[in-house]
Amino acid sequence: QQQVKQSPQSLIVQKGGISIINCAYENTAFDYFPWYQQFPGKGPALLIAIRPDVSEKKEGRFTISFNKSAKQFSLHIMDSQPGDSATYFCAASRSFKAAGNKLTFGGGTRVLVKP
Amino acid sequence: DVKVTQSSRYLVKRTGEKVFLECVQDMDHENMFWYRQDPGLGLRLIYFSYDVKMKEKGDIPEGYSVSREKKERFSLILESASTNQTSMYLCASSLEGQGNQPQHFGDGTRLSIL
Repeated sequence: QQQVKQSPQSLIVQKGGISIINCAYENTAFDYFPWYQQFPGKGPALLIAIRPDVSEKKEGRFTISFNKSAKQFSLHIMDSQPGDSATYFCAASRSFKAAGNKLTFGGGTRVLVKP
Repeated sequence: DVKVTQSSRYLVKRTGEKVFLECVQDMDHENMFWYRQDPGLGLRLIYFSYDVKMKEKGDIPEGYSVSREKKERFSLILESASTNQTSMYLCASSLEGQGNQPQHFGDGTRLSIL
């Protein structure tokens, strides 16, 4: 049973377009929601993260939108570039010491940006 | 710069063998993690360790064990490898501290069990 559900599994977008990836979670104790980016042959790396006390966080062309009541959050990649082609994972965790910084990941979205 | 090193990029083993996957981090991180990555299932936590000799089961620990004798090294052990353990294995580490610390990943070991 997946506690974090991610969609779509794959996405093709034209250069300059907007990529949108959605995630939904079940556990209301989650209070930290990062996104990781993984290039082929590499491990995932933290891209951007949000806490539920804000509804949106923007870093350059990447924006997280968060809807606490719906238990959903999404990643928007504006002005998508071929270099953004990667697999993106949403994740969730609880931020208290006993949780040990454990992350629960979504299933991943493979994004292909066509030139 | 942060570095998590996994000993092998590719590994081929036979059913029933005992398999060791090694991970070393050079950042003096308290937490270390082992995940397996399968298409459509994302990353699933096998085991994690928050201190030397300490370990906790993740979501899918069956068929695996771990060892952490030194702070920088975390080993994943497949006691008797089976074909359903063919997968990409990722090691990660993170600081223990206030708030959530990012996990830093190695580049993975692709393990095939024949």
